[in-house]
Amino acid sequence: EPEVTQTPSHQVTQMGQEVILRCVPISNHLYFYWYRQILGQKVEFLVSFYNNEISEKSEIFDDQFSVERPDGSNFTLKIRSTKLEDSAMYFCASSGDLQPYEQYFGPGTRLTVT
Amino acid sequence: AQSVTQLGSHVSVSEGALVLLRCNYSSSVPPYLFWYVQYPNQGLQLLLKYTSAATLVKGINGFEAEFKKSETSFHLTKPSAHMSDAAEYFCAVSFQGAQKLVFGQGTRLTINP
Repeated sequence: EPEVTQTPSHQVTQMGQEVILRCVPISNHLYFYWYRQILGQKVEFLVSFYNNEISEKSEIFDDQFSVERPDGSNFTLKIRSTKLEDSAMYFCASSGDLQPYEQYFGPGTRLTVT
Repeated sequence: AQSVTQLGSHVSVSEGALVLLRCNYSSSVPPYLFWYVQYPNQGLQLLLKYTSAATLVKGINGFEAEFKKSETSFHLTKPSAHMSDAAEYFCAVSFQGAQKLVFGQGTRLTINP
């Protein structure tokens, strides 16, 4: 069964450093998303991506965040200068064009900023 | 404002008992509704979905949910709990066909032997 994969599973970084979180969506999906879940809080939407551009972003997704689809399979989230409050589980999701609201999630990357 | 509320951050039931996890949303237009399950140290797995077809939706692992427009609810049920059902359950909503999902705060389900 096709699935969304994410690497790394756990990333530890120092405050102010740049991190790139990687995702491989389901191969025939066209919509891609990032969500995050701060420990003990709700899962929050960050950004959606379609046709090589951002289709929607939340207030959380400020200038320190960026997304990219560098090739035909990967989808990345870059945080330019990490802050302590960026520590969270980051989930990638993807969906197909027939049912774009039906999203399939990866296992997540736990980001710890020290 | 559009929102999703899960009543009860923690629900505990005995093995074999009925499971009922509550989800209410606030919207004037019926949205698309989803339940996801998260097992420890794992990602979010889609349990079931409502997308304006039958109001009683069956999902995986014996779970089902009923969409009630008049109550703006989408409660998740399972007739008989199993130990393997212990997990965190999230209700999620796509409002007015928007792609992004809005999640409830989650309900941790514990099963007592």
